[in-house]
Amino acid sequence: GAGVSQSPRYKVAKRGQDVALRCDPISGHVSLFWYQQALGQGPEFLTYFQNEAQLDKSGLPSDRFFAERPEGSVSTLKIQRTQQEDSAVYLCASSLGDSARRIQFGNGTRLTVT
Amino acid sequence: DQQVKQNSPSLSVQEGRISILNCDYTNSMFDYFLWYKKYPAEGPTFLISISSIKDKNEDGRFTVFLNKSAKHLSLHIVPSQPGDSAVYFCAAERGGSNYKLTFGKGTLLTVNP
Repeated sequence: GAGVSQSPRYKVAKRGQDVALRCDPISGHVSLFWYQQALGQGPEFLTYFQNEAQLDKSGLPSDRFFAERPEGSVSTLKIQRTQQEDSAVYLCASSLGDSARRIQFGNGTRLTVT
Repeated sequence: DQQVKQNSPSLSVQEGRISILNCDYTNSMFDYFLWYKKYPAEGPTFLISISSIKDKNEDGRFTVFLNKSAKHLSLHIVPSQPGDSAVYFCAAERGGSNYKLTFGKGTLLTVNP
């Protein structure tokens, strides 16, 4: 497809489980971003990759959150020992250059922790 | 501390009229502003942007105005159409961190036929 693809679209996890969310960026896009959108809020920055290098992970809420992009293409956001406050939509975005000005978002993964 | 604020959670307008969505920011280091539109179950899509060196940018039915001294921007949609019904997010980029966007909470616009 031509857009950013995220899977799964929906994920229900029991508190304490580990989850992995996948992002397939647009082919050739150098930059990849993860955002978290809680209910009733705007997206909040989590982390940024340029190719395989994670240049900023300052937005990750805790050390239970881990993101990787080992080959500079597909990225995975992993959340260990999920908590109820982790329930949110996780948005992945990518862009050709290093600026957020032309980023294109995927449709997100809605995570519900019960 | 919310650095980008959209104080109106919702707005309802009649088809054909003007929609005005407002956004305020507190961080004077922001130098680029963007508006995104979001339909349910979809990701945000870019609508229009403005650099801090300008006070107006127009693209078809959409115009964004920036008042730097007031740290305020607004999005005007004229004429409004039912297909414009969506959540609109204001976002800002800080000089030196051009890969990171700070978003407001969004305004739900409903355009009634």
